[in-house]
Amino acid sequence: AQTVTQSQPEMSVQEAETVTLSCTYDTSESDYYLFWYKQPPSRQMILVIRQEAYKQQNATENRFSVNFQKAAKSFSLKISDSQLGDAAMYFCAYRSAQEQAGTALIFGKGTTLSVSS
Amino acid sequence: DTGVSQDPRHKITKRGQNVTFRCDPISEHNRLYWYRQTLGQGPEFLTYFQNEAQLEKSRLLSDRFSAERPKGSFSTLEIQRTEQGDSAMYLCASSPGPQETQYFGPGTRLLVL
Repeated sequence: AQTVTQSQPEMSVQEAETVTLSCTYDTSESDYYLFWYKQPPSRQMILVIRQEAYKQQNATENRFSVNFQKAAKSFSLKISDSQLGDAAMYFCAYRSAQEQAGTALIFGKGTTLSVSS
Repeated sequence: DTGVSQDPRHKITKRGQNVTFRCDPISEHNRLYWYRQTLGQGPEFLTYFQNEAQLEKSRLLSDRFSAERPKGSFSTLEIQRTEQGDSAMYLCASSPGPQETQYFGPGTRLLVL
């Protein structure tokens, strides 16, 4: 079974600085998707960034980028120029690309990011 | 596109009562998922639908839980004989297809006293 591990329960960063959130996963599959979702306090979860495992190029979305290391099964999220609105719980998630394996997301336990001014 | 909506947003019930939650997915999204999230944890998969067909159920979904999506549009999740351990946030997500991104609703927070 696939697992996702986020080893940093809490992280903090100052405004305008850069922070990296870690995520590792375990799978025997070669084709899959990885995601970072953001869940602000009392608000709904939104997708931050998505990475297809077959793509070697790291995904980027504005201030958000990932460092995808397939061999190491590592998928970290870098937030540049941090803003107060980035404060939230961040979840790393895995999904198989095989239809028969199901398409449910498997989440890590999350990292709470606080941003100070 | 109004996003995924869930109703109610909060529910307080007494142990042993039945509760039902509703999820309205994004229009024309064929896939609908239910997840459960307890405090300090990531969401855990419960079940999902392709149109009106329930294709997969997690072992977390005990026989007290039932989900339906009768016309392939909205879905309901019912918990019978609630227990204190059922207290959690119940999240609904939808996607246009199996390999597409899942979009989440705001969740229904259940508290069982």
